[in-house]
Amino acid sequence: DTAVSQTPKYLVTQMGNDKSIKCEQNLGHDTMYWYKQDSKKFLKIMFSYNNKELIINETVPNRFSPKSPDKAHLNLHINSLELGDSAVYFCASSPLTGVREKLFFGSGTQLSVL
Amino acid sequence: SQQGEEDPQALSIQEGENATMNCSYKTSINNLQWYRQNSGRGLVHLILIRSNEREKHSGRLRVTLDTSKKSSSLLITASRAADTASYFCATALMDSNYQLIWGAGTKLIIKP
Repeated sequence: DTAVSQTPKYLVTQMGNDKSIKCEQNLGHDTMYWYKQDSKKFLKIMFSYNNKELIINETVPNRFSPKSPDKAHLNLHINSLELGDSAVYFCASSPLTGVREKLFFGSGTQLSVL
Repeated sequence: SQQGEEDPQALSIQEGENATMNCSYKTSINNLQWYRQNSGRGLVHLILIRSNEREKHSGRLRVTLDTSKKSSSLLITASRAADTASYFCATALMDSNYQLIWGAGTKLIIKP
């Protein structure tokens, strides 16, 4: 009965590979996000979807592509992984359109690119 | 993007003492939110305070907001070992429905 779940929790891969991270929320929220947390713990938004529509697309390399098959799922696909992609990636959702209300976070995916 | 700033970056206190963390921001906000992140876990929402509010309480947590100084503080009273975590503030900007601007966090350690 986890509210926001993302898989895998750990992802170790070689440079140049393609990988995906999945996220699902069972809260009935309309808005979902992907955040990247770097080694200094700074959180940076990558993408936001509202009811399957892309709302925020920050300056993120084209190698990152979000996919929202329905409003309960927001997956992140990364092509041609680079060393600098190593970070913790968090999925989140919010109950109303936009971020004016609180976010619910998944437990994170620690990506290590070797 | 503009960032919120928190201070101190790290705080270590004895169990039972009070812990105060501060957050400053740069532009007008709709609301300010505090989150906790335990090591290796996701962020958990603690309190949301709106721009027209000055103080909010939740259990042992007290948040204040001073919009004239563009700052907020989070007070944890009677700290416990379980409060050991990183605490982040995030501001919802007035001119954006979708952006939360995050601080770099305060790492709080409660010594038993």
